[in-house]
Parts: sequence; C-alpha cells; structure tokens
Amino acid sequence: GENVEQHPSTLSVQEGDSAVIKCTYSDSASNYFPWYKQELGKRPQLIIDIRSNVGEKKDQRIAVTLNKTAKHFSLHITETQPEDSAVYFCAAIRAQKLVFGQGTRLTINP
Amino acid sequence: GAVVSQHPSRVICKSGTSVKIECRSLDFQATTMFWYRQFPKQSLMLMATSNEGSKATYEQGVEKDKFLINHASLTLSTLTVTSAHPEDSSFYICSARPSGTGGTGELFFGEGSRLTVL
Repeated sequence: GENVEQHPSTLSVQEGDSAVIKCTYSDSASNYFPWYKQELGKRPQLIIDIRSNVGEKKDQRIAVTLNKTAKHFSLHITETQPEDSAVYFCAAIRAQKLVFGQGTRLTINP
Repeated sequence: GAVVSQHPSRVICKSGTSVKIECRSLDFQATTMFWYRQFPKQSLMLMATSNEGSKATYEQGVEKDKFLINHASLTLSTLTVTSAHPEDSSFYICSARPSGTGGTGELFFGEGSRLTVL
C-alpha cells in the first residue's frame, strides 16, 4: 500500500518568512496529492492540491511542487501570517484511498 | 462546495456500550465514503472504506466486528463502535467523494465526532 512520510513534524517561523513542508510517497501509481490544514478539533480543510501530470501549482501565498521521479512533493507558504498557524497534512491517493502524512505543526511567531 | 455532515460531534459513553456515528452527504451522492480515526497529536488513519449497497472494506489491523459500517443509501454511512473501551476514545472523521468524479476527485470531510469512553 501507499506510505507517505512528512517532514518536519514541527516548524516555527517568523511572521512574514516562508515555510516549507516536504513529503515523500512510496507508490509510483499515486496520482493526486492534496494538502490539508487542520485546526484543533476541526475537520481537515483542503488548501491546495496537485495532480501527477503537473509539476507546480500556485494559489496566492501557497504553492505546491511535485517531483514524480523522486516521489516527493512540497508545500510552500510565503509571507506567513499568524493565522497560518495550524497542523498541515500532505496526502496521496492510490486506488481511491487517501493516505495522510504524519502532519506538521506550523507556528508563526509574531 | 459539497457538504458532509457528521453526527454526533461529541459523545461520551460507558465502557462496554455501543456508539453509532452518522455521516451524511447533504448535497451530493456518494457511492463510497471513508472513515478515519485520529488520536491526539497524530495523523488521520484510514479505518475502512464504506461502499453503498455492499460490505465495507477494512484496513489492516482494524477489527470489522468491532467497527461496524453500514452504507445503506447514497447519502448516509454509519459507523458503530461496539463494546467500546477507553482505548477507542478518539476523533472519528468521515469523508466522501461525489459519485462520478472519479477516484481522484476532491474528498469532503465531516466535522468529526469526538468519542470519549469512560
């Protein structure tokens, strides 16, 4: 089955700086890679996603890159703001099943 | 966007009792729904895939007789935790993908149900 590894587990950055979270996946057949933001006690919220036929996607301050050869993808958040503080999860889909990474607790320091 | 509603949001029960959690897709039909469990400060772990009109498929290590799943209609899946014990206390989240969007369409999540077993 699919295995998704996510790093780092915690990340602290100064407000206004950039944050990068990285994930690797094991199954080369995986073809959809969403990123979720989860606040305490709430449901995961999709913030951006990328499909295997695309190398990069950007939405305002958020971007995701995908390297299919190396089987890794990354989330980039620029100009970070306090409200970006949350837990972020990467995920990969294989055979309709969504497998999550371990999560990254991002803290934005004012 | 599509809405998935989960009920109850919080439930406290005594050890040995059973608890049922409902997951409804409010504005779309879902042939398949997924149930996840999330322990504090951990990731979401897929428990099982709920298939409308057929048996659920369970992930390795998940006891199918303990976590009963029923997907009786295209908008409702239920998860029943039978003979609950304190170690079953967790955050249970369902998700659903609109039928016809393909296997890689966006998944929509319910609000989650926090189960506490005393």
